[in-house]
Amino acid sequence: ETGVTQSPTHLIKTRGQQVTLRCSSQSGHNTVSWYQQALGQGPQFIFQYYREEENGRGNFPPRFSGLQFPNYSSELNVNALELDDSALYLCASSLPPGQGGQETQYFGPGTRLLVL
Amino acid sequence: ELKVEQNPLFLSMQEGKNYTIYCNYSTTSDRLYWYRQDPGKSLESLFVLLSNGAVKQEGRLMASLDTKARLSTLHITAAVHDLSATYFCAVAFSKDFNKFYFGSGTKLNVKP
Repeated sequence: ETGVTQSPTHLIKTRGQQVTLRCSSQSGHNTVSWYQQALGQGPQFIFQYYREEENGRGNFPPRFSGLQFPNYSSELNVNALELDDSALYLCASSLPPGQGGQETQYFGPGTRLLVL
Repeated sequence: ELKVEQNPLFLSMQEGKNYTIYCNYSTTSDRLYWYRQDPGKSLESLFVLLSNGAVKQEGRLMASLDTKARLSTLHITAAVHDLSATYFCAVAFSKDFNKFYFGSGTKLNVKP
């Protein structure tokens, strides 16, 4: 059983650019959530995808968007990057309720984004 | 909006000592999680607490949940250096279970 994987591990962009981050969920998990973790802070929920549709969104502007594919992998896209977007972006996968487990989210290693 | 507060935010302790990290949350919740994060690493699941009075133990760590007080504790017994990390609690709701609200974290440093 493979865990959650993310790519790339590190990324440097400049203000105004666009970025795409990728996530492969843990085997059998069909729900993917994305979090932003600023330095010294706890992760903040961006959005969640289930069955290829957005299923909940946190307090982030529309320039943060995402996709989920039939194989449950997911992308996070951020347009018009700002300096404050510099953070660790974490992807987490889980099973939906009623499919066993305790709805624990399993986190990937993260992508560290630096916006200059 | 739900608020999750942890204290202390920083904790420096000697090996062999005991200590407790507290996690308070502002709205009734039916599930609480504890995670560990090592520097530059991702989050590792430690405990899932799903009911009032739930207590779980793993090695030197023990977590408990009091839903009436909206309080969870993570107790460290006879700390060792390997426990040095940042510990996060997170709260979720059944109706919105995949949205986790995290505390700010407690950075624990256990001195040899």
